[in-house]
Amino acid sequence: EVQLVESGGGLVKPGGSLRLSCAASGFTFSSYSMNWVRQAPGKGLEWVSSISSSSSYIYYADSVKGRFTISRDNAKNSLYLQMNSLRAEDTAVYYCARVDSGSYYVGDYWGQGTLVTVSS
Amino acid sequence: QSALTQPASVSGSPGQSITISCTGTSSDVGGYNYVSWYQQHPGKAPKLMIYDVSNRPSGVSNRFSGSKSGNTASLTISGLQAEDEADYYCSSYTSSSNPWVFGGGTKLTVL
Repeated sequence: EVQLVESGGGLVKPGGSLRLSCAASGFTFSSYSMNWVRQAPGKGLEWVSSISSSSSYIYYADSVKGRFTISRDNAKNSLYLQMNSLRAEDTAVYYCARVDSGSYYVGDYWGQGTLVTVSS
Repeated sequence: QSALTQPASVSGSPGQSITISCTGTSSDVGGYNYVSWYQQHPGKAPKLMIYDVSNRPSGVSNRFSGSKSGNTASLTISGLQAEDEADYYCSSYTSSSNPWVFGGGTKLTVL
């Protein structure tokens, strides 16, 4: 069974940092690209960042470019999102999602999400 | 403001059919056959319902179908059931600096 489990969310002050993790199981993690998608409270979905299976290709939304860094460790079946210089508008539930190679959907399996709250 | 435009809400009675539209531009919906649709129940993660405009992942009911005409994609749900009540989001691959864009979401109410 495919499982994606996010962790690392919490309350952080503006300007602070947080590192999110996504633990994958039930599939060959190293064969899939991965996405981070966020959802502000009561709002819609927003794509945040993507990383290819071998980390060769990395993309960021304009809203987080220069502040967030996506990475993965295929040996540990894990995906990460390092978030620096956090702002109030980064407050959201952050989901990791799996993308099959050569596919153009955002994700066929999603984790349950982890809440990040940026507030003083 | 979302890049793709969806109606805020739609409703229908059990057994009826409804259609949710998703309007973009020639840089996203109109330029690629890479529109996908996601269902999200309150407090839950999104679920992929349609990809590449009209393809259903394994396990998704054939009551869900997708189509596209020009810059507008559509999701049709036939034989509405109570469990279909949820938020629905469209997404498209795009040629802009952000490779994926979402619609603002549509709340489906089953009367």
